[in-house]
Parts: sequence; C-alpha cells; structure tokens
Amino acid sequence: NAGVMQNPRHLVRRRGQEARLRCSPMKGHSHVYWYRQLPEEGLKFMVYLQKENIIDESGMPKERFSAEFPKEGPSILRIQQVVRGDSAAYFCASSPELRSPLHFGNGTRLTVT
Amino acid sequence: DAKTTQPTSMDCAEGRAANLPCNHSTISGNEYVYWYRQIHSQGPQYIIHGLKNNETNEMASLIITEDRKSSTLILPHATLRDTAVYYCIVRVGGGTSYGKLTFGQGTILTVHP
Repeated sequence: NAGVMQNPRHLVRRRGQEARLRCSPMKGHSHVYWYRQLPEEGLKFMVYLQKENIIDESGMPKERFSAEFPKEGPSILRIQQVVRGDSAAYFCASSPELRSPLHFGNGTRLTVT
Repeated sequence: DAKTTQPTSMDCAEGRAANLPCNHSTISGNEYVYWYRQIHSQGPQYIIHGLKNNETNEMASLIITEDRKSSTLILPHATLRDTAVYYCIVRVGGGTSYGKLTFGQGTILTVHP
C-alpha cells in the first residue's frame, strides 16, 4: 500500500514564477492536508481539503496561495509569483476519515532563487 | 488546541527504553494526545495516539496520567534509527479544526551506540 506521494521532491523557481506542488493521498483517503515547514521552524498547518471542497484554510496566506483537491487526480498546492520567503518544505498528509491519524508524505522542498 | 511542553533534547543508549515526557496541563476532555516523529529530511511519521487509556502498538507505548495533564511515550528498545524529533500534539476531538495539528518544537532524541 503506497504511502502519500508528493512530487516533485525538489523544486527550484525564480522569483515571480509559479510553483505547483502535487500530492496523491493514500488509497482510500479522501481527506488531504497541507503543511509548511520554514527553515529552522516547526510545521505549520495551511489547509484541509476533502474531495472538491476546502474545509479549513485558516493557515493559508491570503494572497498568491491556493489549493484544490479535484474529484479525479491529485491535490495541488499552487503558489503564484513566488518570493524568497516561500522557500520551505511543503508536506501533504492524508487520512481516510476525519478522526483518523494523518499520514504524511516526504514533502516537496521549494527553493526560490 | 492545548499547548504542550516537551524537553528540548534527550539522549538514550541503543537497546534501552526511551521515555519521552510531555506536559499538556490545559487539555480538554475531548482532546486526544498524538505523537509523531520526524527523521531528518522526511515527513512526520505517526506513532500513536490516545484519549485517556494507555495505548500500545508495534512502535511504542503511550502512558497518559489519570488527570490527563501529562503523558509519556515509551520506545521499549531504542535503535539508532529512532534518532529523530518527537512531537507531542493535542488534537481536538472533532469539527473542521480536526486536521489542524499544532506542532511545537518537539524533543530531539539522540540514540547512542
């Protein structure tokens, strides 16, 4: 049973470009969560989605960031017009039900040059 | 979510039990205690969780005090591969905030040969 798959593992973008991070949840998991870990800091919640719906986006920056989890295909975290401060590790997690433990992927490390 | 307090770092000899404490004195009746760990450059790994009873699985044991104000994660026979940052997290029992895990600074556990 494959775990949470994130790609790419490493992503380099120049300032002003767009970054698209993909997350395929574990089989049978319909709840997806995105977290961000800035250098030398702890993980911070960004957004919680359930198929086609955003349930809680209280941790998302108000501008340039968006997330989706379509009926078919992976969840996408999109960052428009990236800035150096967006450089971080972005982790996706999934769970089969709301009250189940979250299982994390190994993250996408975004570097903005 | 209730705030948790953990020691910054701990050492343990290989083959011995590692006992990681966590204080969560403001925990509410419907909040669970979760433990995750993060090995360098990887995503957080779920270890165990509990509400008020002690729990055991193939990875660890969780001992929660009767007043639920503190808990201890026990790795019965630590190995070098258990070297990681261990996070104690208090998670609300339901609602849309259920996916919002609050990661603190955790405990850096170093297992020595």
